[in-house]
Amino acid sequence: AQSVTQLDSQVPVFEEAPVELRCNYSSSVSVYLFWYVQYPNQGLQLLLKYLSGSTLVKGINGFEAEFNKSQTSFHLRKPSVHISDTAEYFCAVSLGGVNFNKFYFGSGTKLNVKP
Amino acid sequence: DGGITQSPKYLFRKEGQNVTLSCEQNLNHDAMYWYRQDPGQGLRLIYYSQIVNDFQKGDIAEGYSVSREKKESFPLTVTSAQKNPTAFYLCASSQNTEAFFGQGTRLTVV
Repeated sequence: AQSVTQLDSQVPVFEEAPVELRCNYSSSVSVYLFWYVQYPNQGLQLLLKYLSGSTLVKGINGFEAEFNKSQTSFHLRKPSVHISDTAEYFCAVSLGGVNFNKFYFGSGTKLNVKP
Repeated sequence: DGGITQSPKYLFRKEGQNVTLSCEQNLNHDAMYWYRQDPGQGLRLIYYSQIVNDFQKGDIAEGYSVSREKKESFPLTVTSAQKNPTAFYLCASSQNTEAFFGQGTRLTVV
């Protein structure tokens, strides 16, 4: 069975500081990996995804993530955060079927950027 | 613009009443999903559909029902059998590798 663990439920950080949001997954097969962002009372927006190839993936809003197969991790990073990055972030995996994907989500990490 | 539309954004219902949440997509995606979101629990899969006239139970299907009569539409009914229906409901669709989400419906049962 697949599962996704986001170790930190909340991460407070000051503006312009770097941040890392952690994500670990368990799966017996190859997976696709995703990070989504959710602003209050809105749907989820894709930040970035890893399907194959380079393990360092760059996304929107200056975020990047690194896929580490041996550690089964896909941590999200940003070198300098802005107040507008305050949101909840979800890590997700899918099994990458040919015609259909089933997505599994972590419990989310709330990023709170302080001035 | 292509996307997923959920309506209404906010919904209030009395306990014991069935209520149907709408989800429409114009992305021409085959797969559609319903998730429930509660604070600190992430997204939990209620139902999903891979193709028209077919759907499967997710992890928390009890108290919910769906239909998929058209490719564009995947309505979710929250029945009176659902013991704790107050939550944020998200609809999504996908084609191949990525899921696209609607803006959600916040259901409050009083």
